[in-house]
Amino acid sequence: AQSVAQPEDQVNVAEGNPLTVKCTYSVSGNPYLFWYVQYPNRGLQFLLKYITGDNLVKGSYGFEAEFNKSQTSFHLKKPSALVSDSALYFCAVRPDSNYQLIWGAGTKLIIKP
Amino acid sequence: DTAVSQTPKYLVTQMGNDKSIKCEQNLGHDTMYWYKQDSKKFLKIMFSYNNKELIINETVPNRFSPKSPDKAHLNLHINSLELGDSAVYFCASSWRTSGVSYEQYFGPGTRLTVT
Repeated sequence: AQSVAQPEDQVNVAEGNPLTVKCTYSVSGNPYLFWYVQYPNRGLQFLLKYITGDNLVKGSYGFEAEFNKSQTSFHLKKPSALVSDSALYFCAVRPDSNYQLIWGAGTKLIIKP
Repeated sequence: DTAVSQTPKYLVTQMGNDKSIKCEQNLGHDTMYWYKQDSKKFLKIMFSYNNKELIINETVPNRFSPKSPDKAHLNLHINSLELGDSAVYFCASSWRTSGVSYEQYFGPGTRLTVT
């Protein structure tokens, strides 16, 4: 079965430190990969996506993500965390065989001052 | 201007009632979605319409019925509400073109509480 895993329910990072939120997937073919962020009591916002090309993609708010085909991973990164980055982050994958997104369970990111 | 809007933002109702949630997008997208987010924040696709045609219909009770009067609107009607229907319901929209994958834009959500 096709799936997306976000292995950490919560990630704690000190402000100013680099952060990584992990995502791995198991889908057939060449998937399209997305990251979304959800702030408290808000809808999800698109951060970035990987379709093809350079394995490192840059997105909103200084975030970037690295696609690793051999490890089937798409980890979200930021060089220097801000307290305002604290939110719930979702990884989503669209198999190339259909249009439906497969969503990860979400990772709560907490940035401490 | 709000890209994807939902009404109402909060909905508190009793078991057995029927309620509707409305969604409108002004982005010109041709595809709209309904998602359910439960108390553990899991996100589950319920329905998707492309140009008013139902293209995704996940395993959802028959009590849930989507309606898309035009490309910019997708409403969700729920009959005989149950306690387990309590959740946040999100509407989203995107383009859907063969070979291209576009991101989805989400509304602010409707928090449904069934008592």
